[in-house]
Amino acid sequence: AQSVTQPDIHITVSEGASLELRCNYSYGATPYLFWYVQSPGQGLQLLLKYFSGDTLVQGIKGFEAEFKRSQSSFNLRKPSVHWSDAAEYFCAVGAGTNAGKSTFGDGTTLTVKP
Amino acid sequence: EAQVTQNPRYLITVTGKKLTVTCSQNMNHEYMSWYRQDPGLGLRQIYYSMNVEVTDKGDVPEGYKVSRKEKRNFPLILESPSPNQTSLYFCASALGTSGNNEQFFGPGTRLTVL
Repeated sequence: AQSVTQPDIHITVSEGASLELRCNYSYGATPYLFWYVQSPGQGLQLLLKYFSGDTLVQGIKGFEAEFKRSQSSFNLRKPSVHWSDAAEYFCAVGAGTNAGKSTFGDGTTLTVKP
Repeated sequence: EAQVTQNPRYLITVTGKKLTVTCSQNMNHEYMSWYRQDPGLGLRQIYYSMNVEVTDKGDVPEGYKVSRKEKRNFPLILESPSPNQTSLYFCASALGTSGNNEQFFGPGTRLTVL
């Protein structure tokens, strides 16, 4: 069975500082990996996704993520955080064979200090 | 505008009173899914649908029913709601049924069962 772990429930960073949100997955083959963002009171929006190829993927709003097969990780990064990045971030895995099943991590809440 | 809509956005009801939360998408997407979001538990998949008349259980299907009679609609039915179904519910859709498809989320329905 597939699973996703986001070790950090809550992270606080200062505006302008760099950010890294951790995501570890468990899946038998190469997974389809996603990062979504949920702003307060909103639905989820896709930031970026990885299927194959280049292990460093670029997304919207200046975010990037790196797939590391050896560590079963897909960490999200941003070089300089803006106050508007305060939100909840979800890592998710989509299965290839049981394609309907979709598994999300528990989420990481990002607070940005001025 | 391409979107997923849910109604109602907010609902307070009492134990045992049947209710339906509607979900509609205007993107001609094959795949649709329902999730519930609870603090500290992330998003958990309730049911999903790969096509009209094709539905399957997610991770937490107990107490819920769904139907997919038309491609655009995927209602969530609670035949006899209980307080443990108090939650924030999201409907999502995706263009294809492979696990590598981005999901588009509705704005959410906040349900309180007294």
